[in-house]
Amino acid sequence: NAGVTQTPKFQVLKTGQSMTLQCAQDMNHNSMYWYRQDPGMGLRLIYYSASEGTTDKGEVPNGYNVSRLNKREFSLRLESAAPSQTSVYFCAVRSLNQPQHFGDGTRLSIL
Amino acid sequence: KNEVEQSPQNLTAQEGEFITINCSYSVGISALHWLQQHPGGGIVSLFMLSSGKKKHGRLIATINIQEKHSSLHITASHPRDSAVYICAVRTSGTYKYIFGTGTRLKVLA
Repeated sequence: NAGVTQTPKFQVLKTGQSMTLQCAQDMNHNSMYWYRQDPGMGLRLIYYSASEGTTDKGEVPNGYNVSRLNKREFSLRLESAAPSQTSVYFCAVRSLNQPQHFGDGTRLSIL
Repeated sequence: KNEVEQSPQNLTAQEGEFITINCSYSVGISALHWLQQHPGGGIVSLFMLSSGKKKHGRLIATINIQEKHSSLHITASHPRDSAVYICAVRTSGTYKYIFGTGTRLKVLA
């Protein structure tokens, strides 16, 4: 999905390590989301940003921090990774009355 | 009980069959979305509905607001339709989406 770019696509971490997942969009949408997808469960919202400079917690924010650097970029940081954070992470963007557009996902494994 | 329930969870069909996937929800919504996710792939939005019916190619999506129910139909199914189909609702007056757990569809040639 050229409109929403997530990096990296894959990452393996050890417990306690930190890392930042990056999301960048060229669609000029105001709202940006971070989700995690786990087997047998629907996508769950980690954090949301309605616009540059604002962020809100979602359903499962513990262990994560976010930064809306500008309108294009929304990063997700794991300060001290835990095995329970092994998941596939998706970034999505949206404008008013429009569907969400998703990135291709980041597959994260924590050993 | 999940606020968004999909059925069936898994579905295997022969090529050419007519397929229906159902979604029921228990919250007030401003819109309902149908998404498609191919194995190992990203997520693509198929439809956004707030009322009535929409059609795109062989795909048809309907919603009944009073009954809090939506269906996704695939006519003349094809192996390339094999994917996970996800129902999601945007709750009224919020930015938040609630996702179903998905229906895994396999279409055999």
